[in-house]
Amino acid sequence: DAKTTQPTSMDCAEGRAANLPCNHSTISGNEYVYWYRQIHSQGPQYIIHGLKNNETNEMASLIITEDRKSSTLILPHATLRDTAVYYCIVNTGTASKLTFGTGTRLQVTL
Amino acid sequence: SQTIHQWPATLVQPVGSPLSLECTVEGTSNPNLYWYRQAAGRGLQLLFYSVGIGQISSEVPQNLSASRPQDRQFILSSKKLLLSDSGFYLCAWSGTRRGELFFGEGSRLTVL
Repeated sequence: DAKTTQPTSMDCAEGRAANLPCNHSTISGNEYVYWYRQIHSQGPQYIIHGLKNNETNEMASLIITEDRKSSTLILPHATLRDTAVYYCIVNTGTASKLTFGTGTRLQVTL
Repeated sequence: SQTIHQWPATLVQPVGSPLSLECTVEGTSNPNLYWYRQAAGRGLQLLFYSVGIGQISSEVPQNLSASRPQDRQFILSSKKLLLSDSGFYLCAWSGTRRGELFFGEGSRLTVL
């Protein structure tokens, strides 16, 4: 699976949009981009995934560049409850091969 | 709806003692099941996964073992714990969407 690069940490003010970047320059044509998050002392939670097109659901939006070498997860109106570690993963869709790195620690502040 | 539970939530065990963590899934049949471990400040490491009763794949060598005695039950065990076994253990099952994992609440193990 392709590797990803994410910033170690980010801050965001409550109510503002949180934009979390991810670089995956070695992504293959059949690999999806997945985002999970892990709130402290809980298991990771699936957020969204995409292949080429931008995706949106009730939790977030995923913007994938045209060359697919990077993506951005957008939380449109961050709340304190969005404070968590966010993992960007590229994978062909085989759950057993999902590799969780160290992710980005997002701190939402008042 | 599907739910996943694992227990105990926390435990403190002496070195050399046995371990048994249990995970059950409700509301689905023949799920793929997974055990992950997360050491302090580290990412998640896949330990075992199972595609069916009695079918276990091990991802890393260690003194842990896993068993799947029933379709929706997954057990993580050790005969003799090491200090390095301390961590946050997570059970998960995979859903119908490609690459989507559902995690349990986690079990925090401290080996002293």
